[in-house]
Amino acid sequence: QKEVEQDPGPLSVPEGAIVSLNCTYSNSAFQYFMWYRQYSRKGPELLMYTYSSGNKEDGRFTAQVDKSSKYISLFIRDSQPSDSATYLCAMNYGGATNKLIFGTGTLLAVQP
Amino acid sequence: GAVVSQHPSWVICKSGTSVKIECRSLDFQATTMFWYRQFPKQSLMLMATSNEGSKATYEQGVEKDKFLINHASLTLSTLTVTSAHPEDSSFYICSAGEASGGAAKQYFGPGTRLTVT
Repeated sequence: QKEVEQDPGPLSVPEGAIVSLNCTYSNSAFQYFMWYRQYSRKGPELLMYTYSSGNKEDGRFTAQVDKSSKYISLFIRDSQPSDSATYLCAMNYGGATNKLIFGTGTLLAVQP
Repeated sequence: GAVVSQHPSWVICKSGTSVKIECRSLDFQATTMFWYRQFPKQSLMLMATSNEGSKATYEQGVEKDKFLINHASLTLSTLTVTSAHPEDSSFYICSAGEASGGAAKQYFGPGTRLTVT
């Protein structure tokens, strides 16, 4: 079993839809949870960064962490064609020297 | 947000030659940098963790003599692919950890596309 599971998609939605992206994980020691967006042939861009359980909102993006269920989500409201990218969840135990454990990424296509 | 640069952005080399890729944190100091490779339509694969002033820690299956990593300063890490072969062709990405209160946000560079002919 992988430490982090993520549905690879592809996920196709119409412009303006609410998008829900999810990851599950197996290691309860993970403390920090991140979502990255990666456009084709580019490096990942940090979108959301959360610690422990709860919600965090930034513009059209909302990140949720449920540590009791070992489940994290990213919601995108009013999705735009420019949101079309691969979304990667990542997590670690904390600390500057700790490596990230990534999901496989979900390819999202927002149709105009 | 923090900025990480990589140079070159793409490189083509002949089989048997060596290629050096630089990773710089432009507006913060990074005691730890990470090197990844990514194949088309696949997720990131961690190759090694690079700590300033010490030897890198390589992931299982990554040849340390082939992928030389040097982290000479708090803002610069380099990856050298020695005696490159076509199977080394890939997208190489670095990230740098910005420490804050015990946690760390990792920021990624734009990546370097290596093609070995």
